Amino acid sequence: GQNIDQPTEMTATEGAIVQINCTYQTSGFNGLFWYQQHAGEAPTFLSYNVLDGLEEKGRFSSFLSRSKGYSYLLLKELQMKDSASYLCAVTDSNYQLIWGAGTKLIIKP
Amino acid sequence: GAVVSQHPSWVICKSGTSVKIECRSLDFQATTMFWYRQFPKQSLMLMATSNEGSKATYEQGVEKDKFLINHASLTLSTLTVTSAHPEDSSFYICSARAPSDYEQYFGPGTRLTVT
Repeated sequence: GQNIDQPTEMTATEGAIVQINCTYQTSGFNGLFWYQQHAGEAPTFLSYNVLDGLEEKGRFSSFLSRSKGYSYLLLKELQMKDSASYLCAVTDSNYQLIWGAGTKLIIKP
Repeated sequence: GAVVSQHPSWVICKSGTSVKIECRSLDFQATTMFWYRQFPKQSLMLMATSNEGSKATYEQGVEKDKFLINHASLTLSTLTVTSAHPEDSSFYICSARAPSDYEQYFGPGTRLTVT
C-alpha cells in the first residue's frame, strides 16, 4: 500500500532550527510537496521537489532522496508564526497526491 | 499567483437539509479539481477528483450519492452535501490544478456545521 510517515508533533525554540522528516512508500513518484497549514485554514504551498537534492527558499529548505524515499523540511530562524502543521505529500504514478498526517510544530519563546 | 475561492466560508444547517459549496479558480482554468475533508486534528482526506466535463472519481468509502460533485466549467466545481447529518460536520477544502501544472492550489475552505 501507499504510506507516508512524518512525526506527529515537534517542539522548537524561537530563533532555532528544526528539521521535519518525511518518509514515503508509494506506487510511483512524481514529486514531493510540503505544505503549511495553520489551524482552521487551508494548506499553503511551501516547496516542491522532484529531483534529489536541496531546494532553498528563504528560511525554508526542502531536501529529497528518491532512492531512500526520504525528504525533510528545514526551517531556520524560527518565528512564533511558524507554529503550524506541516504536511508532506507525494504525487504517485497516477499524479494523485498522497498525504501524510502532518507534523504539528510548536514554537516556544 | 493562482487563486482559488470557496463559497461559503462557513455554513450552519439543520440535519436533513442539503448544502452546496462552490469552488472557483479565479485566474486560471482548472481542468482538475479536488475535494478534501478534514476533521479536527486530522490530516486532509481526499474525497473525490473531478475533471471538467466528466463524472467525478470518488475515493473508497465516500458515498457519491451523498456528496454530489459537478465540474461544469473550467473555473467552477460544486460539492453538494445531501441530507446532511451532524457527522458530516467538517472542514471542506477544494483545490484546483491547471493543465501541465504539478501544483494544487487550495481554496480557503468551508466549515460546515450540521445541527
